[in-house]
Amino acid sequence: QSALTQPASVSGSPGQSITISCTGTSSDVGGYNYVSWYQQQPGKAPKIMIYEVSNRPSGVSNRFSGSKSGNTASLTISGLQAEDEADYYCSSYSSSSTVVVFGGGTKLTVL
Amino acid sequence: EVQLLESGGGLVQPGGSLRLSCAASGFTFSNYAMSWVRQAAGKGLEWVSSLTGSGDTTSYADSVKGRFSISRDNSKNTVHLQMNSLRVEDAAVYYCARARSGYYRDYWGQGALVTVSS
Repeated sequence: QSALTQPASVSGSPGQSITISCTGTSSDVGGYNYVSWYQQQPGKAPKIMIYEVSNRPSGVSNRFSGSKSGNTASLTISGLQAEDEADYYCSSYSSSSTVVVFGGGTKLTVL
Repeated sequence: EVQLLESGGGLVQPGGSLRLSCAASGFTFSNYAMSWVRQAAGKGLEWVSSLTGSGDTTSYADSVKGRFSISRDNSKNTVHLQMNSLRVEDAAVYYCARARSGYYRDYWGQGALVTVSS
């Protein structure tokens, strides 16, 4: 069982917006602004999409945005495109003995 | 261009040992912490271990503490993961990743497959 809780799947049509949630506790998501999001295409390594809650690395489309409220972080993808279909993982620093925790992953399907 | 290339994966029996290596290029290696993250077949990501740029501070997931050891050779731009007392549940693709101060990993290798089976 993953430390952070994500929905197993979300879906949307091209052009629509979707949001993936990531729920933790005050020991991880809620306590620190160290939430990151990764995109993983089948058979590929993860790719950083958002770091420190809402920062976007150079080269990542501005259609991707991140936010946090309390113990829940969110990744929003606007203007969905077929190429966005992938698995998405959230991650956070944790004050527990497991320094870095991940969510179980969310499979995004573009209809 | 940042590149991370893992090696050393393979098939090992339960209770056996394996050493993974990750060769880094394209950045000043000693300036960055490094991590190992694994992914069992069809499962999610699991952080395994990290160490600082100087190599003087390490951290491990509870699931591998006491069995795995992370180290680095800054003269060879390489990070290693020594895995002892391997269990069936350690079978996974192991990714080497560059770690940033905000507790995120910005570059990842292609992964090394570790299979633990008798």
